[in-house]
Amino acid sequence: GQNIDQPTEMTATEGAIVQINCTYQTSGFNGLFWYQQHAGEAPTFLSYNVLDGLEEKGRFSSFLSRSKGYSYLLLKELQMKDSASYLCAVRPNNQAGTALIFGKGTTLSVSS
Amino acid sequence: DAGVIQSPRHEVTEMGQEVTLRCKPISGHDYLFWYRQTMMRGLELLIYFNNNVPIDDSGMPEDRFSAKMPNASFSTLKIQPSEPRDSAVYFCASRLSGLAEQETQYFGPGTRLLVL
Repeated sequence: GQNIDQPTEMTATEGAIVQINCTYQTSGFNGLFWYQQHAGEAPTFLSYNVLDGLEEKGRFSSFLSRSKGYSYLLLKELQMKDSASYLCAVRPNNQAGTALIFGKGTTLSVSS
Repeated sequence: DAGVIQSPRHEVTEMGQEVTLRCKPISGHDYLFWYRQTMMRGLELLIYFNNNVPIDDSGMPEDRFSAKMPNASFSTLKIQPSEPRDSAVYFCASRLSGLAEQETQYFGPGTRLLVL
């Protein structure tokens, strides 16, 4: 089966660093995505990893270890506007090929 | 570009009624996806199209759900008859095929459906 696990909730304070973990078990692997979703809004793309290692984009970084079925999203210098749900999604390398499987999301609350 | 457009943004209906959700993908995108999001189950893929052809509808819950894509710029998701358990946010997303890194899905604002 296909399974993606991430913590349900996390809390942090402004200016801090937070790491959101994601583990996956899928029939194959052809890329991992992180999306941000503010309450009442649509998911928006944050990052993409297909090779092992760290991808950095400003305050956000995403790491992937394919052998461990593991990824994390690192958010630095947290701001109040970072309060949102963060969705981990995997594209399994199945015959259909291109659909994403989403985790249930991690709701991050940033306080002052 | 206007992004993915969905209508209506909100829908309240009574059990047994037909509901039609509409989506206009980003111009030039050749993939279109329909998702449903609930607190309990998260974001679930219902069906997706490539070049207007349904590729995988294994996520469609049951025969009450149907989706069509008559042309590259329009798709509908229909629920008939609707039931209270269909209450959710329904998202449409589109993307352009190409290099894997560029295959990012762009989501519409969603339709919030409440079936009483």
